[in-house]
Amino acid sequence: GAGVSQSPSNKVTEKGKDVELRCDPISGHTALYWYRQSLGQGLEFLIYFQGNSAPDKSGLPSDRFSAERTGGSVSTLTIQRTQQEDSAVYLCASSFGSSGGTDTQYFGPGTRLTVL
Amino acid sequence: QKEVEQNSGPLSVPEGAIASLNCTYSDRGSQSFFWYRQYSGKSPELIMFIYSNGDKEDGRFTAQLNKASQYVSLLIRDSQPSDSATYLCAVFSGNTPLVFGKGTRLSVIA
Repeated sequence: GAGVSQSPSNKVTEKGKDVELRCDPISGHTALYWYRQSLGQGLEFLIYFQGNSAPDKSGLPSDRFSAERTGGSVSTLTIQRTQQEDSAVYLCASSFGSSGGTDTQYFGPGTRLTVL
Repeated sequence: QKEVEQNSGPLSVPEGAIASLNCTYSDRGSQSFFWYRQYSGKSPELIMFIYSNGDKEDGRFTAQLNKASQYVSLLIRDSQPSDSATYLCAVFSGNTPLVFGKGTRLSVIA
């Protein structure tokens, strides 16, 4: 299994609780991306990592959202004090991070977050 | 603000017909263009990418790129009901992550 993996696949939480979502990229991929997709909507870019640094955090919707990546591999997206509007599928993707125009992103299966 | 526009659909085509999906983009400096397919409840999967003007064929799929007009299209020949999905166009402009369109929902009617 060499694909992007995410855990948990489903998460139900109560409003106000914190949640952590995990992404394990394809081995050798230096770039990692987080997206959010609400029901019937397009992909909303959240943040991306090149190695352990995050050059672009512009998509994080509020300061309740944070992400980190350690060792250039696994990444964790943390949502503090969850709100009902945070309910969505959170998708992670990874790529080789090459500067050429053919750097392809491969997606994980997603984490479906439901905030009650 | 880099934008990628797609008609949300649904685009309905009969089985066996050619489905034509279109995408326009705002950044004239865009370098490469990706088409992803997303089945309901699943994550996007890459179909193909293109970076040179003209056509690129892969099986029943053909991507067409016209940089002067800033559009890219995906043709699906001999459409099958299993092609029913949302098709996402994504654009790479260099040093930034892909910018995705909102997708076009395709329905192939048997």
